[in-house]
Amino acid sequence: EDKVVQSPLSLVVHEGDTVTLNCSYEVTNFRSLLWYKQEKKAPTFLFMLTSSGIEKKSGRLSSILDKKELSSILNITATQTGDSAIYLCLRSGAGSYQLTFGKGTKLSVIP
Amino acid sequence: DTAVSQTPKYLVTQMGNDKSIKCEQNLGHDTMYWYKQDSKKFLKIMFSYNNKELIINETVPNRFSPKSPDKAHLNLHINSLELGDSAVYFCASSQGRVSGANVLTFGAGSRLTVL
Repeated sequence: EDKVVQSPLSLVVHEGDTVTLNCSYEVTNFRSLLWYKQEKKAPTFLFMLTSSGIEKKSGRLSSILDKKELSSILNITATQTGDSAIYLCLRSGAGSYQLTFGKGTKLSVIP
Repeated sequence: DTAVSQTPKYLVTQMGNDKSIKCEQNLGHDTMYWYKQDSKKFLKIMFSYNNKELIINETVPNRFSPKSPDKAHLNLHINSLELGDSAVYFCASSQGRVSGANVLTFGAGSRLTVL
């Protein structure tokens, strides 16, 4: 069973739309959840979430963790074509560096 | 300055060959990783080293052997390459040994194509 499940797997929106990406994770030894954006090359870091209910924000992007629901969402408001990318969720656990990525959400923003 | 650098960026080779990918980080991080990203863009961890000590060794064929000469370098050697090894290999690093609270910084990836 997948330890990290992202949804939707792909999404096509128009510029200006708001999108919400989801990530659910396995609770065992959970420590933090990270969001990354991957365009053509390396995944680049967006947010790290360790506490439930505290929103992290950076410009038009925001993210929040819900430990009760074992999930996180990534919101992007007023989307732009430059937001087109694969958004990856990384679950980090305690112990032997349990690091598991979800399969990603491919976001396409069309003009 | 590039924080995590991998070489080569592209590698095209024949089945059965042996090849290496090198990774270096100048961030002073203690932990380094190798990830494989397949054609469906799924990133899967392969290995992790902390201060030259192997700490994660996922189920990968033993044709893959990581080598860490010092904490700033983690190289990946692949023997007897197979078609299914074609993928993008990402190196990453993070600070400290405390797990669960570290941001990974990724290299630009090395695209391996096995013909």
